[in-house]
Amino acid sequence: SAVISQKPSRDICQRGTSLTIQCQVDSQVTMMFWYRQQPGQSLTLIATANQGSEATYESGFVIDKFPISRPNLTFSTLTVSNMSPEDSSIYLCSVVPQGTYEQYFGPGTRLTVT
Amino acid sequence: DAKTTQPTSMDCAEGRAANLPCNHSTISGNEYVYWYRQIHSQGPQYIIHGLKNNETNEMASLIITEDRKSSTLILPHATLRDTAVYYCIVSGAGGTSYGKLTFGQGTILTVHP
Repeated sequence: SAVISQKPSRDICQRGTSLTIQCQVDSQVTMMFWYRQQPGQSLTLIATANQGSEATYESGFVIDKFPISRPNLTFSTLTVSNMSPEDSSIYLCSVVPQGTYEQYFGPGTRLTVT
Repeated sequence: DAKTTQPTSMDCAEGRAANLPCNHSTISGNEYVYWYRQIHSQGPQYIIHGLKNNETNEMASLIITEDRKSSTLILPHATLRDTAVYYCIVSGAGGTSYGKLTFGQGTILTVHP
């Protein structure tokens, strides 16, 4: 299993600013993912952030808007840049421990952009 | 990844079995069926997964039809804490799709006293 923490748990930000979300895992994992959950909606995959390689983004998400860092096997950050109210969502990171098929999710960061 | 179809909502009495169906008629031979649930204001929680055989763990049982076009998640004795959105997801086990989950709208399961 894996225990994931995220910081901040929630934030209220002004449009045009940027917020960096941190994801910390209690064990070393290669595969890490970032998801977004817009209000009342299901989860949508933003990008895959595997250590040792550049993040790969899903259709509709770009690096300039959502830059990701993955400096080691237990940590990653997602930045939401130049925010607008449409970015108001819950952002979640997740990991797949090596050798398993189970994906573990963090508690999420609830972002409100005013 | 194959698309899945689930009922929007279901009710279940506490202590009874909850049977949640899922259709995945376009599933490929190397794709697994995963079930996750999301309790309000929390991150999704892994429940169970399977390829072709029925599976059981401490949380639930997964019944996959022989043609693999549908499956049923069974919570044998539902409790109030099982009230959540349940997601049935089909995903490949390797290659570039490994670990990428495509969430649909899921089934809102309400367990009532």
